Amino acid sequence: DIQMTQSPSSLSASVGDTVTITCRASQNISKYLNWYQQTPGKAPTLLIYAASRLHRGVPSRFSGGGSGTDFTLTISSVQPEDFATYYCQQTYNTPPLTFGGGTKVEIK
Amino acid sequence: QLQLQESGPGLVKPSETLSLTCTVSGGSISSNSYYWGWIRQPPGKGLEWLGTIYYTGSIYDNPSLKSRLTVSVDTSKNQFSLKLSSVTAADTGTYYCARFLKGGWYSDVWGQGTLVTVSS
Repeated sequence: DIQMTQSPSSLSASVGDTVTITCRASQNISKYLNWYQQTPGKAPTLLIYAASRLHRGVPSRFSGGGSGTDFTLTISSVQPEDFATYYCQQTYNTPPLTFGGGTKVEIK
Repeated sequence: QLQLQESGPGLVKPSETLSLTCTVSGGSISSNSYYWGWIRQPPGKGLEWLGTIYYTGSIYDNPSLKSRLTVSVDTSKNQFSLKLSSVTAADTGTYYCARFLKGGWYSDVWGQGTLVTVSS
């Protein structure tokens, strides 16, 4: 199975900061990498698919990059509603689909 | 607007079978563009993909579940279901049903989730 490692596991940021989360795959997954946001008590929602494509309705302050084994999710000018947990997911080698362990973005 | 809704018991005894159904509304489960499947989340932990089914009945499942998982689809009811046998406390968590884009395998629509507790 392909292992997905996210870093950091948590971070603190102030409103208006730029935040970057990293996701590393245990092998080359090309651009088969997706990002989800989850707020407490809610289902995850899709932010980015195919490494860099913004899902419809997602604010443009979210962006994704990378290919191969290393990927990033960047939130430019973090807003109060962005404080949540973020997960990466690889869909290159299915089954199984695998997720990273999550990154919790908290208010400083 | 497509919506997914999970239903089933919130409490299951150890060694028994966990059964959940996902009802799809606002769209057809027989679309050739999507798969349908299940993802779970233990309390305070991350996400685990369980299995995915196409409307024709083709199934992909997570080998880590060691054949305990059965996923099925009922196109006449616009529903798909999950059965997980021989459950233990480790199967406690929130179970989500979701739609998976065929080809991309990402989930663009999710149910609200249902908490299932395994306890005697």
